[in-house]
Amino acid sequence: DTAVSQTPKYLVTQMGNDKSIKCEQNLGHDTMYWYKQDSKKFLKIMFSYNNKELIINETVPNRFSPKSPDKAHLNLHINSLELGDSAVYFCASSRQGIAGYTFGSGTRLTVV
Amino acid sequence: GNSVTQMEGPVTLSEEAFLTINCTYTATGYPSLFWYVQYPGEGLQLLLKATKADDKGSNKGFEATYRKETTSFHLEKGSVQVSDSAVYFCALSDPNFGNEKLTFGTGTRLTIIP
Repeated sequence: DTAVSQTPKYLVTQMGNDKSIKCEQNLGHDTMYWYKQDSKKFLKIMFSYNNKELIINETVPNRFSPKSPDKAHLNLHINSLELGDSAVYFCASSRQGIAGYTFGSGTRLTVV
Repeated sequence: GNSVTQMEGPVTLSEEAFLTINCTYTATGYPSLFWYVQYPGEGLQLLLKATKADDKGSNKGFEATYRKETTSFHLEKGSVQVSDSAVYFCALSDPNFGNEKLTFGTGTRLTIIP
């Protein structure tokens, strides 16, 4: 009964490949997010969706494309992976009007 | 834009020592303020929050008070334990996004030695 679940937990892939990370929340939250955490632990927002609608799209390369089939799911697809994409990617969710997130446990992406 | 500045780590303390991790912020409007904790290999967990000036958030012996006059939200604990070893993130919400968009500080790694 995990609240925010991400799969896979670890992902090792070669440069140039395309990969997806999936996220699901069972909290009934309206808004979902993707954050990237670099090797120095710095967290930066990438995208935010509210009820399947994109509301935040930070300066992220076009190779990253989020998809929200319903408000409980927010997947992240990455094309033509580069070495610099190696990081931990966190999914999170929140309820509209209530500050604070619930985070998933992260996906460690390593591009070789 | 909004920003959060945390004290540089790493911080190493002995068990039962007093802990302070400084956090100051820059924001327009009236953000909510948060402390999140990340244990090794895990995602971030909300530790405490404060939604308006002079509010005190507290949880698991940790406290932080929302100080508008000094734009600060310092994290304190009177007696730390080895199990408190983790990375601590200060964050603020953006009122322009319905308080949903969080901006995080760079994190402070805390190590407690027995």
